[in-house]
Amino acid sequence: SSELTQDPAVSVALGQTVRITCQGDSLRVYYASWYQQKPGQAPILVIYGKNNRPSGIPDRFSGSNSGNTTSLTIAGTQAEDEADYYCNSRDSSGNHVFGSGTKVTVL
Amino acid sequence: QLQLQESGPGLVKPSETLSLTCAVSGDSISSSTSSWGWIRQPPGKGLEWIGTIYYSGGTYYTPSLKSRVTTSVDTSKNQVSLKVRSVTAADTAVYYCARHVWDVLGFSYYFDLWGQGTLVTVSS
Repeated sequence: SSELTQDPAVSVALGQTVRITCQGDSLRVYYASWYQQKPGQAPILVIYGKNNRPSGIPDRFSGSNSGNTTSLTIAGTQAEDEADYYCNSRDSSGNHVFGSGTKVTVL
Repeated sequence: QLQLQESGPGLVKPSETLSLTCAVSGDSISSSTSSWGWIRQPPGKGLEWIGTIYYSGGTYYTPSLKSRVTTSVDTSKNQVSLKVRSVTAADTAVYYCARHVWDVLGFSYYFDLWGQGTLVTVSS
């Protein structure tokens, strides 16, 4: 199955913008989805499709796509955005693969 | 409002079968066109997709677990089930069920609703 590559960790100053990337061949065909997971909690969907936010997700979260890379951007990062973020996408074999996750630290 | 709740034994012995259920409330599985996925997360590690059962009954599993995993839907109980056979310590994880949305025409697949997860430890 295809792999999705994410940077292990990124830090951002409070109120600034951070972009988290996810790379993989499957992203040339299928959109990724993004999940936020805080310690001890289940993941929640934050971005899906081309750039869609589920109800209740703040508009400071946005997604973009280019070639084999998909990005999650958090504009005006808040303290409560500190979490692990995972991308997920289907590959050509029908498998649904998760990236290894990016830990976002808010300074 | 749709809610998912996983349940099952918290401790399973090596070589035995891990069996979990995911109770769906707020909607009827039999009238739904939803698909249901299982995802697991070993302690301190990332998420791993286990498999998905499509509303039509078709199943899809990750290659590394395909020979040991079965998922099913029980419409009379409005629940989804997962079985993992011949478990080892490597199967110790928090197991989540989630609604798996397939927007085939939009080339988009995503898990929009998750249960709270249940920890399963494999140990003698």
